Amino acid sequence: DSGVTQTPKHLITATGQRVTLRCSPRSGDLSVYWYQQSLDQGLQFLIQYYNGEERAKGNILERFSAQQFPDLHSELNLSSLELGDSALYFCASSQNPGQTYEQYFGPGTRLTVT
Amino acid sequence: DAKTTQPPSMDCAEGRAANLPCNHSTISGNEYVYWYRQIHSQGPQYIIHGLKNNETNEMASLIITEDRKSSTLILPHATLRDTAVYYCIVIALGDQGGKLIFGQGTELSVKP
Repeated sequence: DSGVTQTPKHLITATGQRVTLRCSPRSGDLSVYWYQQSLDQGLQFLIQYYNGEERAKGNILERFSAQQFPDLHSELNLSSLELGDSALYFCASSQNPGQTYEQYFGPGTRLTVT
Repeated sequence: DAKTTQPPSMDCAEGRAANLPCNHSTISGNEYVYWYRQIHSQGPQYIIHGLKNNETNEMASLIITEDRKSSTLILPHATLRDTAVYYCIVIALGDQGGKLIFGQGTELSVKP
């Protein structure tokens, strides 16, 4: 158990819909990262937040957005969903980004778009 | 922009040492070598990291060559639960704010 929680575990939705994935970091971790893992693309970094502010952006589509709240939990919003958005979405957290890359990953949310 | 090269797959007998190689011939002086693994569809798990010296923890040992162009992750007594994809990642502290760039990794199969 990494201490990072993600909800829901599974999500099945239709094309064109919007979903929200939630992540709670380990106690004391200020930084949250979102990663997407699809069969053809592997594990890809999407976005990072540190203490409520966006720190780094990766290959995140404009249809996707995220935020980190004052209590440090984070949400990833996916809209206008397409079949290709079906993937595992992982959240990770760390204490001191830039000083260590020891990140703790949650169990993931499996999104299926039909 | 691949910084590391790993064999796509390896087999190991249960109870034997698993030695997973990683080539990072373009590594810079301020770049660390990190290893993560991902057991089927679970979240990746941090294993170990190093800069120049060999490192050991309760999970594994990391051997880095003197020229730092390659490294080997050693699982001393592999078990069936070590079957996973192992990722070698090279990254400089302070680089890119902390994001991890995962390659294809090595799929390790531990067989009874």
